[in-house]
Amino acid sequence: GNSVTQMEGPVTLSEEAFLTINCTYTATGYPSLFWYVQYPGEGLQLLLKATKADDKGSNKGFEATYRKETTSFHLEKGSVQVSDSAVYFCALREWASGSARQLTFGSGTQLTVLP
Amino acid sequence: NAGVTQTPKFQVLKTGQSMTLQCAQDMNHNSMYWYRQDPGMGLRLIYYSASEGTTDKGEVPNGYNVSRLNKREFSLRLESAAPSQTSVYFCASSHETGMGNEQFFGPGTRLTVL
Repeated sequence: GNSVTQMEGPVTLSEEAFLTINCTYTATGYPSLFWYVQYPGEGLQLLLKATKADDKGSNKGFEATYRKETTSFHLEKGSVQVSDSAVYFCALREWASGSARQLTFGSGTQLTVLP
Repeated sequence: NAGVTQTPKFQVLKTGQSMTLQCAQDMNHNSMYWYRQDPGMGLRLIYYSASEGTTDKGEVPNGYNVSRLNKREFSLRLESAAPSQTSVYFCASSHETGMGNEQFFGPGTRLTVL
């Protein structure tokens, strides 16, 4: 079946540091890939997505590139802010009978940015 | 627009009690979903409804039932709560089941079963 493996946290960075959160996936076909963010006490929000190989998703200074050859979708940001403190989830959706609607999530990575 | 709303926000039950979690969306979405979130495990799909009048099991359906009351509302029922059902429950909706379509999440219900 499908699976998503995320870099374990928690991750603690100083403001303006470079961020990478690793995400790799296992899928039998050609999934769409997503990063969701969960701020404290809130539901998940879509941060960015990519629907085919070599696509780059970007939003709010975050970027991730769909790498089919390495089955990866690593999240990066050049300069993090305190307001980026949240839990980040990598997820995939693959078209397969009976499971087309399901998002498969990684376990989440807690990011804390210190001023 | 309120987006996806869930009630209640918090609930404490005793083992064996029943309850229904309510979810509503005002975005005219066809598809709705119930997930549970447990520490270190991400979100896991309990049930989903691709359209009004249809429901299907997800990854962890045991101990739950759902009702798609109309296009707006999708409820999750625990008939006999167990401590293993202590979790945070999220409802989500999307316009359709296409590969790249975004799911919009509610704020969650934190359930504790004693």
